Amino acid sequence: DAGITQSPRYKITETGRQVTLMCHQTWSHSYMFWYRQDLGHGLRLIYYSAAADITDKGEVPDGYVVSRSKTENFPLTLESATRSQTSVYFCASKRDRAYEQYFGPGTRLTVT
Amino acid sequence: GQQLNQSPQSMFIQEGEDVSMNCTSSSIFNTWLWYKQDPGEGPVLLIALYKAGELTSNGRLTAQFGITRKDSFLNISASIPSDVGIYFCAGQETSGSRLTFGEGTQLTVNP
Repeated sequence: DAGITQSPRYKITETGRQVTLMCHQTWSHSYMFWYRQDLGHGLRLIYYSAAADITDKGEVPDGYVVSRSKTENFPLTLESATRSQTSVYFCASKRDRAYEQYFGPGTRLTVT
Repeated sequence: GQQLNQSPQSMFIQEGEDVSMNCTSSSIFNTWLWYKQDPGEGPVLLIALYKAGELTSNGRLTAQFGITRKDSFLNISASIPSDVGIYFCAGQETSGSRLTFGEGTQLTVNP
């Protein structure tokens, strides 16, 4: 039972580079979410998706791009990474009409 | 965006003590969820609450959905070292599919 996985777990990149964080879930959940976690801010929603090819902005979407061509995958791309995007990124998923979200293990991203 | 007020921000307790934390919101919520995050891991769902006044237990953990639907409480009884971590509350309003998270309570348990 793989559940929800994220890759890579750790990433160091340089300012200006493009980087993609991967999220994969095996539950066939309709909804998927991307959050970032920073000290003093808790979990903030970046983007979410209600189904394949349906995405919507969250609280802090600037500088990020998402896509969802398959139900099980929800990649997050930083088109031109900035130091302010250094953070821990969590992917989550949930069933349609359910409230409970289930989180992946996170990706720690450092932008130098 | 809207935030939940979660308190306390941190707690330092001795093993065996009971712990209480709470979250309050200016909005009415349909659902309250409590998560625990271990160091280096993602949040794990502990308890879900769906009705005002509901009291739900999960082992040594007990959570309550406030009568006003604007608050929730989590109690941990007889704490043990593995209770260490960050506890988050999360709520969902009547409409929409997004959760609003509290900023977390960092719990430290001294053996």
